[in-house]
Amino acid sequence: DAKTTQPTSMDCAEGRAANLPCNHSTISGNEYVYWYRQIHSQGPQYIIHGLKNNETNEMASLIITEDRKSSTLILPHATLRDTAVYYCIVRAGNTPLVFGKGTRLSVIA
Amino acid sequence: DTGVSQNPRHKITKRGQNVTFRCDPISEHNRLYWYRQTLGQGPEFLTYFQNEAQLEKSRLLSDRFSAERPKGSFSTLEIQRTEQGDSAMYLCASSPFRDSDYGYTFGSGTRLTVV
Repeated sequence: DAKTTQPTSMDCAEGRAANLPCNHSTISGNEYVYWYRQIHSQGPQYIIHGLKNNETNEMASLIITEDRKSSTLILPHATLRDTAVYYCIVRAGNTPLVFGKGTRLSVIA
Repeated sequence: DTGVSQNPRHKITKRGQNVTFRCDPISEHNRLYWYRQTLGQGPEFLTYFQNEAQLEKSRLLSDRFSAERPKGSFSTLEIQRTEQGDSAMYLCASSPFRDSDYGYTFGSGTRLTVV
């Protein structure tokens, strides 16, 4: 019952912006979009979340389309340490996070 | 604060044996979650606690699995009569009741190998 669709993998050159897309065409009005990432051999790490407005923090920016059916996570200047699996999750309220398979981002020197 | 701590980091056990994992959450977090992750897959939700109350259990959690969180502090996950299919990374996470500001904090996991 996956609520999101993400590409399996992506490459990005070091120093360039990494733009990770996520499709969530069945999102409900009360559901937020969350992004986590998981670096090899570590637990997932929270990145950012949003409802309908674009959001930015020290790690990334989240752009949500006006119809909320898709979003893009932007890492403005990717480094080798950003190589990880990135998970886009749609979630209502305080329900437990449900992870899909995510996008494996490889940052290349 | 040292974050979420999980012990042991690795466990190798023979099929049919029982194993127990421990998770120490961030002290002020009242929610605690258990996930399981196999190679190439995202973490799968198993169960979660709010304080000492177990609020939800996934259908993935067979009757061989039991989790406790006495006094709302650390938690244990026990697997009885282990099977080779139980081999996975078991992840623990904690959060405040309202986790919207910082999300979940995950531990580094316990890797179980059943031989």
